Amino acid sequence: DAKTTQPTSMDCAEGRAANLPCNHSTISGNEYVYWYRQIHSQGPQYIIHGLKNNETNEMASLIITEDRKSSTLILPHATLRDTAVYYCIVRVANTGNQFYFGTGTSLTVIP
Amino acid sequence: DAGVTQSPTHLIKTRGQQVTLRCSPKSGHDTVSWYQQALGQGPQFIFQYYEEEERQRGNFPDRFSGHQFPNYSSELNVNALLLGDSALYLCASSLALGNSGYTFGSGTRLTVV
Repeated sequence: DAKTTQPTSMDCAEGRAANLPCNHSTISGNEYVYWYRQIHSQGPQYIIHGLKNNETNEMASLIITEDRKSSTLILPHATLRDTAVYYCIVRVANTGNQFYFGTGTSLTVIP
Repeated sequence: DAGVTQSPTHLIKTRGQQVTLRCSPKSGHDTVSWYQQALGQGPQFIFQYYEEEERQRGNFPDRFSGHQFPNYSSELNVNALLLGDSALYLCASSLALGNSGYTFGSGTRLTVV
């Protein structure tokens, strides 16, 4: 599965949009992009995933570039409860392969 | 609909002892994966069980073993505990087929003294 690169940490003002970037320049055509987050000492929580089209759900939006080499997770109105470590992961479709977690981006939402 | 349940939530063991951690997957899920998360690190994949067999394994020694039962629940066993085994152990369940993500439990915090 392709590797991903994320910034180590980011800050965001409460109520503003948080835009978390992820680089996956070696992604293959059959690999999905997944985002998880982990609030301190809890299990990771699934946020969203996509293949090549932009996706939106009740938690976030996922924007994938046309060449699929990078993506951005958008939390439209960040709250203090969104403070967490965010992981961007790519995984081959329909394999059930394990998710490889890197070190993620530590997002701090500031009041 | 219950999510993934792990037990116990916290555990303290002595070096050299053995430990068993338990996981009940989310209803409808048939695959269980185990991860180890050291402080300040991302989760590291240990192994995955499907149809009661180990399907994939990460870079962990044979001291780490597991089992999956017919009801899809799973156990993680660690023998000859080392201080470095102190970590949060996470269980995740999923469907073997398709592209849905994992559902994680809250983990078991193991401390080896």
